[in-house]
Amino acid sequence: DIQMTQSPSSLSASVGDRVTITCRASQSIARYLNWYQQKPGKAPKVLIYAADNLQSGVPSRFSGSGSGTDFTLTISSLQPEDFATYYCQQTYRFPRYTFGQGTNLEIK
Amino acid sequence: EVHLVESGGGLVQPGRSLRLSCAASGFTFDDYAMHWVRQAPGKGLEWVAGISWNSGTIGYADSVKGRFTISRDNAKNSLYLQMNSLRTEDTAFYYCAKASPDSTGFYYYFDYWGQGTLVTVSS
Repeated sequence: DIQMTQSPSSLSASVGDRVTITCRASQSIARYLNWYQQKPGKAPKVLIYAADNLQSGVPSRFSGSGSGTDFTLTISSLQPEDFATYYCQQTYRFPRYTFGQGTNLEIK
Repeated sequence: EVHLVESGGGLVQPGRSLRLSCAASGFTFDDYAMHWVRQAPGKGLEWVAGISWNSGTIGYADSVKGRFTISRDNAKNSLYLQMNSLRTEDTAFYYCAKASPDSTGFYYYFDYWGQGTLVTVSS
């Protein structure tokens, strides 16, 4: 299986901060990388697909970049509703679509 | 509107079996691959199993291979997960998820998820 490693595992930040979360794949996955946001008690919600494509309805302060093995999710100016857990997911080889371990974004 | 509704969770003893179901509506079910994803309480997401639209391609996480079986009935718009030889470490919320392609058709992502059903494996 392709292993996905996110960093950091947790992060404290303030409203208005710029935040970057990274995700590294154990092998090249081209741009087959998605980002999800999950809030407590809720199912995950896709933010970014194919490394840098913003899902419809997702605020433009979210952006993704990368290809190959290294990817980033950036939130340009944190809003109160952005405090959540974020996961990357690779979809390089159907159907084995593995997730990263998650990054918990907390209010400082 | 797309709806995915899981059922079949509950408390089960180690070594026993359980079958989860996911009822789909609001889209053409047999056009899409489907997946099961689980999340142990307070832990991260773990992809469990996936199945192509026609059941021709199936895959499992190593942690469940040989014990779990994913299947679908397109006539009933339903996805299933047969879980045998359950272990305490299988305790989790189990979500079914729909995988959709982007406009190019090359990139897939999970655009809809169910609300999850809790499986607790304990003696």
